[in-house]
Amino acid sequence: DAGVTQSPTHLIKTRGQQVTLRCSPKSGHDTVSWYQQALGQGPQFIFQYYEEEERQRGNFPDRFSGHQFPNYSSELNVNALLLGDSALYLCASSRLTAFGETQYFGPGTRLLVL
Amino acid sequence: QQPVQSPQAVILREGEDAVINCSSSKALYSVHWYRQKHGEAPVFLMILLKGGEQKGHEKISASFNEKKQQSSLYLTASQLSYSGTYFCGTANGSSNTGKLIFGQGTTLQVKP
Repeated sequence: DAGVTQSPTHLIKTRGQQVTLRCSPKSGHDTVSWYQQALGQGPQFIFQYYEEEERQRGNFPDRFSGHQFPNYSSELNVNALLLGDSALYLCASSRLTAFGETQYFGPGTRLLVL
Repeated sequence: QQPVQSPQAVILREGEDAVINCSSSKALYSVHWYRQKHGEAPVFLMILLKGGEQKGHEKISASFNEKKQQSSLYLTASQLSYSGTYFCGTANGSSNTGKLIFGQGTTLQVKP
């Protein structure tokens, strides 16, 4: 049973460019959440997708956008990159059970903005 | 609001015990504990729902005090493999869906 997968693993971009990160959820999971983790910090919630709609959003500017496809995979797009966008971007997948949702993280995409 | 974890860091010898605390100023629905090793993704350890439940996972257990909005993670007879950074993630409000708000992490180092 494959876990959460993300691509690419590493990415180097320059300020002002745009980037797209991809995530495939665990088998059987229909919900995808995206987090940004700066060095030495805990993950910060960007947004969550369910049934191809953005269900919830954290405190991130509109430069951050996403999409969920019918197969539940997801993309995170960041426009007009800033140096401060350099971070580890984590995707977590989940599904609703009687106990709520448990989020399982992928290995992340490390983005460096120069 | 971000939950506060304490201590920030702890160093143990193999076989020693540790407690990591997570406190929130907001009403919690659930607390989720993760361990992250350097350069890797956070790995799910356990989830605690409202009700003061204590759960266990091998030699790692946790409790959730709903009245105090606190959770504690207990690591007993620590092993070298327990080293890493531990994060609590909290779900506020009335449901266990949606965003998790993570603490700043507690770094645990277990020495031989």
